[in-house]
Amino acid sequence: AQKITQTQPGMFVQEKEAVTLDCTYDTSDQSYGLFWYKQPSSGEMIFLIYQGSYDEQNATEGRYSLNFQKARKSANLVISASQLGDSAMYFCAMREVNRDDKIIFGKGTRLHILP
Amino acid sequence: KAGVTQTPRYLIKTRGQQVTLSCSPISGHRSVSWYQQTPGQGLQFLFEYFSETQRNKGNFPGRFSGRQFSNSRSEMNVSTLELGDSALYLCASSLGRQGPTREQYFGPGTRLTVT
Repeated sequence: AQKITQTQPGMFVQEKEAVTLDCTYDTSDQSYGLFWYKQPSSGEMIFLIYQGSYDEQNATEGRYSLNFQKARKSANLVISASQLGDSAMYFCAMREVNRDDKIIFGKGTRLHILP
Repeated sequence: KAGVTQTPRYLIKTRGQQVTLSCSPISGHRSVSWYQQTPGQGLQFLFEYFSETQRNKGNFPGRFSGRQFSNSRSEMNVSTLELGDSALYLCASSLGRQGPTREQYFGPGTRLTVT
């Protein structure tokens, strides 16, 4: 079974609109961390936002926010007021404290921002 | 503070050869993790080094090995290269604290092509 599921392989969004990228995860651990990374065509993995499983508030970092629904095991990324530079691949990832501590990535969502 | 650096950025090798990739983590970070990214398999964890010791290992054959030096710089070696080893190899550095923490910063990657 996949640990991280991103159901949207690709999305097209008009510039300045808000975007929600879906991510569901599977874990039996109580302690874990959830990440979102952006990967432009250059290949570098850029850290966007982090949510700890015990964090009570949804994480926010500038235009990025994470809609964390623990009971549903959902960690959607919301990008407000999208920009052309947001066009990239986006990966949801999880780190389980009791599973060797490595990061497990989803397959990614390719986001295209249209002018 | 300088980011994670990886050298070389691009590499072309022939089947059967071996290759060594290098990663210098962010100053003060003691953990270095390596990932392989391919279009078919996505991002897969190779191994993690902390204080010169391999702390975690993914499901890769023994042809893939690594090491970490006292200054936290890490090298990854792939022997007897196969066509399927063509990939983007990413390294990530962190402080190395156990458990889900937010810091896990990636380098720009080394794109390896095996012909």
